[in-house]
Amino acid sequence: DIVMTQSPVSLPVTPGEPASISCRSSQSLLYSDGYHYLDWYLQRPGQSPQLLIYLASNRASGVPDRFSGSGSGTDFTLKISRVEAEDVGVYYCMQALQAPRTFGQGTKVEIK
Amino acid sequence: EVQLVESGGGLVQPGGSLRLSCAASGFTISSYWVHWVRQAPGKGLVWVSRVNGVDSSTRYTDSVKGRFTISRDNAKNTLYLEMNSLRAEDTGVYHCARGRPQGGYYGMDVWGQGTTVTVSS
Repeated sequence: DIVMTQSPVSLPVTPGEPASISCRSSQSLLYSDGYHYLDWYLQRPGQSPQLLIYLASNRASGVPDRFSGSGSGTDFTLKISRVEAEDVGVYYCMQALQAPRTFGQGTKVEIK
Repeated sequence: EVQLVESGGGLVQPGGSLRLSCAASGFTISSYWVHWVRQAPGKGLVWVSRVNGVDSSTRYTDSVKGRFTISRDNAKNTLYLEMNSLRAEDTGVYHCARGRPQGGYYGMDVWGQGTTVTVSS
């Protein structure tokens, strides 16, 4: 199975400031079609997860443009250009290259 | 509105069985892969199983192989997860999520609110 490792585990943020979460996979997530099969999800407190980014860098419908995804191979990053209060929650990366799908352990983002 | 609504969770003794349902609306499940993802209390997300929209092929995480069965009823536009030989470590909230359509990949873009399974004596 592909192991996904996120850092940091906890991220205190200041509203208006940028934030960044790293995700590393135990093997390359590049598929033969040229895409990296890596998603980012946010689970707000008490809510179901929601899709933020798919294929490493594509924002899902309705996701604000302050969220961006980048990376290749085994190293990926989710960036929030200016954190807002509604961005608090746990962020997960997930590899969709092969079964079983595997998630990172999560990064808890909270306001300082 | 595109929506997934889970049901069927509850309290069950170790070794018991449950069948979870996931009713889809606003789209046809036979055109998509659909997944089950669970979350133990206070823990992270764990992928459990999926069914392919086109050929109905299925995959499972190792810990549930031979105990859980994913299926769908296209006429009812509903996904199921039959869970047998339940263990305490199966306790958690079970979400269904819409995956890839017949062509392309767009992430798990629709999630249900979840149904809670508690395995305890």
